[in-house]
Order: sequence, then structure tokens, then C-alpha cells
Amino acid sequence: RKEVEQDPGPFNVPEGATVAFNCTYSNSASQSFFWYRQDCRKEPKLLMSVYSSGNEDGRFTAQLNRASQYISLLIRDSKLSDSATYLCVVPGMDSSYKLIFGSGTRLLVRP
Amino acid sequence: DVKVTQSSRYLVKRTGEKVFLECVQDMDHENMFWYRQDPGLGLRLIYFSYDVKMKEKGDIPEGYSVSREKKERFSLILESASTNQTSMYLCASSLYLGSMNQPQHFGDGTRLSIL
Repeated sequence: RKEVEQDPGPFNVPEGATVAFNCTYSNSASQSFFWYRQDCRKEPKLLMSVYSSGNEDGRFTAQLNRASQYISLLIRDSKLSDSATYLCVVPGMDSSYKLIFGSGTRLLVRP
Repeated sequence: DVKVTQSSRYLVKRTGEKVFLECVQDMDHENMFWYRQDPGLGLRLIYFSYDVKMKEKGDIPEGYSVSREKKERFSLILESASTNQTSMYLCASSLYLGSMNQPQHFGDGTRLSIL
């Protein structure tokens, strides 16, 4: 099993829609998780950290399911500016320093 | 806000040249990382450093070396550039807090083309 897996998408949704992405991970000992946003030809930017069962920041909610080893990102009331690739990030199994970046889920929000 | 600065946004070099990519962070972070990102392959870790003068190989270290002489600066060196090293290079830094991994903060990236 890969350390982190994401559906590449693209998810094509209308403005105002609610969309959710899932990400599965293999390291059951992981304590911290992150979602990053990456725009085309730009660097990844931290969107949200998840250290316990979940986190919420405005329209964005991240939830952690340790039993099933997945984390999800929910975006409510999608905006055109939410169009980007969303990277799921988990700790590496062989190091407390490394993070493993998923290959990303692409979101397209249409007018 | 964390600031990670990479020395060049765009760089063009020739095959066989020795290439230096510089990265500086201003948040006194212990950990620094170098990645490359290619279409369809995602972010791949080249090298990382958890302290001054300390370094560890990532997943794809071949053809690269690194230097960390000061805490704030982490350099990536392409010993003899080859065309397959054309890529987007991203530097990142993070705080060390024991067993709890911390998020990494990225620089703007360097688009390197090897001709």
C-alpha cells in the first residue's frame, strides 16, 4: 500500500457547490496530517493542519478517521478561486522529519 | 509569517555545468528540505537536513549534493548537470518539535532548465 493515496480528479463543480476529497494513508502511527493547496506553476501552500479528529477554518473542514486511516477535506460554497490542486500530506514512516506528499486532487470550480 | 527565499525563479544552464541552488529561511527552523516536482510525478524529496552540517538522503539523491553550513541556509548542488535534471526545484523548512511532525513552508521554487 502506498504511504498516501489520493484520487487525482479532476473534480469539476459549479460555484456554490460542496465538494469533498478523501485521502488514505498507511502509517497507523501518524499523529499529524496536513492539506496543502497548489496553484498551477506555484509552490504548495499550507491550507490546514490536522492533529486530532479534525479542524475547521471557514468554508474548509478537515476530518480524520484513524480507524479507517483516511483524512478528508470538505469545501463548502465553492468559489472560482478555489480551483487548484489539493495535496494530502502525512508523516513519513521512516523518519520523524519527513512528510510524504500525495500526488494531489485537482479541483475545477466553474461559473 | 515564515519566509523561505530561493535565489532564482528561473535558471538556464548547460549540460555538465555545476549548478548551485540557494535557499534561505528566516524563522530559525531546524529542518530544511529540497524537492523536485515534475508533471505526473508529484513532489519527490532529494535531500533534507535536520541541523547544521547534518544531511540525509531523500528518495532521489543521485546526481545531487547539499550543504548546510549555517542554520538558515541550505544549498542544493547539481555536480554535473544533465538534461533529466530539468525540473521545478522547491525548498522547504519546518520547525522540529520532537515526534510531532510540523508543516513545511515552501519557497517560490526555481524552474531549472538544462540545455
